Amino acid sequence: AQSVTQPDIHITVSEGASLELRCNYSYGATPYLFWYVQSPGQGLQLLLKYFSGDTLVQGIKGFEAEFKRSQSSFNLRKPSVHWSDAAEYFCAVGGSGGSYIPTFGRGTSLIVHP
Amino acid sequence: DTGVSQDPRHKITKRGQNVTFRCDPISEHNRLYWYRQTLGQGPEFLTYFQNEAQLEKSRLLSDRFSAERPKGSFSTLEIQRTEQGDSAMYLCASTTGDRGYNEQFFGPGTRLTVL
Repeated sequence: AQSVTQPDIHITVSEGASLELRCNYSYGATPYLFWYVQSPGQGLQLLLKYFSGDTLVQGIKGFEAEFKRSQSSFNLRKPSVHWSDAAEYFCAVGGSGGSYIPTFGRGTSLIVHP
Repeated sequence: DTGVSQDPRHKITKRGQNVTFRCDPISEHNRLYWYRQTLGQGPEFLTYFQNEAQLEKSRLLSDRFSAERPKGSFSTLEIQRTEQGDSAMYLCASTTGDRGYNEQFFGPGTRLTVL
């Protein structure tokens, strides 16, 4: 069975500081991996995804993530956080073996201090 | 706006009542997903459709939950005999194609409160 662990429930950073949100997954085959962001009152929006090729993936809003198969990780990074990045971030794993049902982590709440 | 829409945005009901939520996907999207999201958790998959066919429904939470997509366009999620534990955000998402890595586009959700 596939699963996702986001070990940090809350992360607090200062505006302009760098950010790394952790995601570990469990999946028996090559995973499809996603990061979504959810702002209050809004639907989830895809930041980036990995399904093959280059393990460093660039996304929207200046985010990037690196797939590390040996560590079963797909951590999200941003070099300089803006106050508008404050939101809930979800990592998800989807199946490459014919299952199109993603499993989401519990999310990490990002708080940005001015 | 051509995004995914959900109606209503909020629903307050009394325990034991039936509720129905509607989702209108992006028009050319053939796949439609329903999720439940409780406080402090990520979306939890419930069911999905490809066109009008419901391809997975074993993860619906109980037999009180049912979903339809009669013409392969909009979808409804019904909860019968609601319980307080059904209080949650219900999310709809749509996507196109038949690849597991295709982006899902989410609606804003319907927040259900069962008193």
